Amino acid sequence: KNEVEQSPQNLTAQEGEFITINCSYSVGISALHWLQQHPGGGIVSLFMLSSGKKKHGRLIATINIQEKHSSLHITASHPRDSAVYICAVSSPSGTYKYIFGTGTRLKVLA
Amino acid sequence: DSGVTQTPKHLITATGQRVTLRCSPRSGDLSVYWYQQSLDQGLQFLIHYYNGEERAKGNILERFSAQQFPDLHSELNLSSLELGDSALYFCASSEASLNTGELFFGEGSRLTVL
Repeated sequence: KNEVEQSPQNLTAQEGEFITINCSYSVGISALHWLQQHPGGGIVSLFMLSSGKKKHGRLIATINIQEKHSSLHITASHPRDSAVYICAVSSPSGTYKYIFGTGTRLKVLA
Repeated sequence: DSGVTQTPKHLITATGQRVTLRCSPRSGDLSVYWYQQSLDQGLQFLIHYYNGEERAKGNILERFSAQQFPDLHSELNLSSLELGDSALYFCASSEASLNTGELFFGEGSRLTVL
């Protein structure tokens, strides 16, 4: 079993829909990261959070430390949101290590 | 723009050859991480440098080596290339020496071995 699990693996949505991507982890962490990988390959850091909720534009990330779960929400989705979204955790704390999920491939149709 | 620069963006070479991938971290970041991403696979950690010193190694083949120079740029050397080395190679930088920092990724170097 992977230490970081994402669901769903693939997601197709219509433009304007509210999207939720989930990430569950089984290890102790000091932080959780959401990354976006564009179709061209480049990776962008969206959020780094260790508690609560963060918002940036139409993106919202939440984390529940007790339940070892995080969600990434996209409001009013747009075709340009089509990408692979990767959840990663900083674990074990105090090391170099980041553990990456395998990603959720999102396609938003116009 | 993450501030991390990787060159070359694309590289096509033949089996048995050697290539060097270069990474310039974000200004002020002392940590450089190298990751390999094969087709439809997740990111595999290769190696981590902090301020010129190797800090950790992942599943890095003996044919691969890396270094971080005094100006903090890093190079990943891949030798005796095999077809299976075809992948996207990412460099990421962070201000922190440990995993407490946010990672900033370069655009990646896409290596194709024919």
